[in-house]
Amino acid sequence: AQTVTQSQPEMSVQEAETVTLSCTYDTSESNYYLFWYKQPPSRQMILVIRQEAYKQQNATENRFSVNFQKAAKSFSLKISDSQLGDTAMYFCAFMKRSNAGKSTFGDGTTLTVKP
Amino acid sequence: EPEVTQTPSHQVTQMGQEVILRCVPISNHLYFYWYRQILGQKVEFLVSFYNNEISEKSEIFDDQFSVERPDGSNFTLKIRSTKLEDSAMYFCASSGATSKELPTDTQYFGPGTRLTVL
Repeated sequence: AQTVTQSQPEMSVQEAETVTLSCTYDTSESNYYLFWYKQPPSRQMILVIRQEAYKQQNATENRFSVNFQKAAKSFSLKISDSQLGDTAMYFCAFMKRSNAGKSTFGDGTTLTVKP
Repeated sequence: EPEVTQTPSHQVTQMGQEVILRCVPISNHLYFYWYRQILGQKVEFLVSFYNNEISEKSEIFDDQFSVERPDGSNFTLKIRSTKLEDSAMYFCASSGATSKELPTDTQYFGPGTRLTVL
């Protein structure tokens, strides 16, 4: 079974600064995907960024980028130029490439961006 | 942009009652999912559904739970006899399928239904 661990229950950052959220996972699979989701107070889950395990290049989406270390099973999210609207719960998730599409989520990190 | 919708947004029920949570997935998607999130806890997988049958289910998804695609647009989760511990946010999600009938990697989540069991 896969496990996803987010070791930072809460983090805060000043507006316009950079913050990194940590995620580690454990799996014996070789073909999988990793995701970061944002869940603002409205509670709808929004996909922030995705990474395919077979790709060595780290994914980037505007101010969001990941540091994917496959051997270390680490998948951290970096948010640059933090904005007040980035305040939310962030979940790291794992999905193995299979016929079911089941995602396994971490416990989440609550990020607060301070003005 | 297409989106997953869920109704109702909030459902309050008495313990032992049956509830049906409804979802309308994105129209050309073929894989459907239910997840739940107990307040303050992580999001947990319940079930995935493809081609009118369950692809995978978790240990949470016991005989009290069932899913159905009653028509071409809706996807429902039924809880037959609700318990206090069923109180949670229930998220529906959908994804497309590849040419090999595997689910595409990106799942689109609905806004959730908050279920409160009294």
